[in-house]
Amino acid sequence: TQLLEQSPQFLSIQEGENLTVYCNSSSVFSSLQWYRQEPGEGPVLLVTVVTGGEVKKLKRLTFQFGDARKDSSLHITAAQPGDTGLYLCAGNAGANSKLTFGKGITLSVRP
Amino acid sequence: GAGVSQSPSNKVTEKGKDVELRCDPISGHTALYWYRQSLGQGLEFLIYFQGNSAPDKSGLPSDRFSAERTGGSVSTLTIQRTQQEDSAVYLCASSLVRTSTYEQYFGPGTRLTVT
Repeated sequence: TQLLEQSPQFLSIQEGENLTVYCNSSSVFSSLQWYRQEPGEGPVLLVTVVTGGEVKKLKRLTFQFGDARKDSSLHITAAQPGDTGLYLCAGNAGANSKLTFGKGITLSVRP
Repeated sequence: GAGVSQSPSNKVTEKGKDVELRCDPISGHTALYWYRQSLGQGLEFLIYFQGNSAPDKSGLPSDRFSAERTGGSVSTLTIQRTQQEDSAVYLCASSLVRTSTYEQYFGPGTRLTVT
């Protein structure tokens, strides 16, 4: 069973601060995705990373896939209240189209 | 284009009653997934469809839960004899398997409350 552990579980920061959160596993994934979910809505895909060591940027968000494709990080620069939400990582091991989801990181950015 | 839609958006039912939750995936998406999410928690996988067949039902919590998909499109999740612990948000997602990275597109969810 592939497990994805996300840390920290909860994070509350002030607007303008930088932060990094993590998604770790002992398993290798062929691809990994990050989603953001706001209250009352379904998760929305932010990014997919496929190649070990890959870095992708989405405005103030920087995603990195570990060299061994077992982990990923999300760095947010100058966080804003609009970044508030539940951040989920999900990995695909390649055997089928099922994704394994982490439990998520609840981020609160205070104005 | 239209995204994934789910109905109803909210459902309040009495303990012991049956409920049906509906999911309309994005047109052309062959894979469909059901998840359950308790308040503030991550996603609990329930069942996955590829076309009309369900190769993975491993997440269904009990035999009170069942799901079907017809015409490779609409799916219905049925919960029989509902219990209070069934209260949660039920999310549906669809995926275009051809992409090989299986990005999932989620609906807004159905919030189920069992009283």
